[in-house]
Amino acid sequence: EDQVTQSPEALRLQEGESSSLNCSYTVSGLRGLFWYRQDPGKGPEFLFTLYSAGEEKEKERLKATLTKKESFLHITAPKPEDSATYLCAVGPNDYKLSFGAGTTVTVRA
Amino acid sequence: EADIYQTPRYLVIGTGKKITLECSQTMGHDKMYWYQQDPGMELHLIHYSYGVNSTEKGDLSSESTVSRIRTEHFPLTLESARPSHTSQYLCASRGGNTEAFFGQGTRLTVV
Repeated sequence: EDQVTQSPEALRLQEGESSSLNCSYTVSGLRGLFWYRQDPGKGPEFLFTLYSAGEEKEKERLKATLTKKESFLHITAPKPEDSATYLCAVGPNDYKLSFGAGTTVTVRA
Repeated sequence: EADIYQTPRYLVIGTGKKITLECSQTMGHDKMYWYQQDPGMELHLIHYSYGVNSTEKGDLSSESTVSRIRTEHFPLTLESARPSHTSQYLCASRGGNTEAFFGQGTRLTVV
């Protein structure tokens, strides 16, 4: 059975304090790993797609990396506006898209 | 910017009523999805479609039904709403095996 596990569940950071979020997955054949940001009461907003081990993507203070078993989302020098829930999803095939439970990040000024 | 729209954004309705949540996308995506999400909880896939006239049940059992008569339209229907159906419903679309784009969601409250 396909599984996506995110850790930690919650992360409280001081502004400027860098950290990493983890997404580990078990799928029969990875067809893409996706990172999203979700603000309360809104739909998830797409951040990155990773397809193969060793791949990295960057956007502003965020950097996503992928290995054969897990992905990391690194937040460098976060600001309060980076506070959100970060979701990881995998496409075990071309049809389904399965999400992890998310990591809620709170950045204090 | 993603062109996927959900209506209504908020809906409060009485028990036993029939409701249809609308979802439309203008990107020509073949795949569309419905997720259910309670506040602070994870997304659960309840229905998906990989093209016109194709619909499949997702990982979470749901009393709702869906249809896909046109590529751009993927409505979700509840024949008889109950308080247990109170939740946020999120629609998404996807082309190929690329990323999915989400609508803003419909927050449903059944009283």
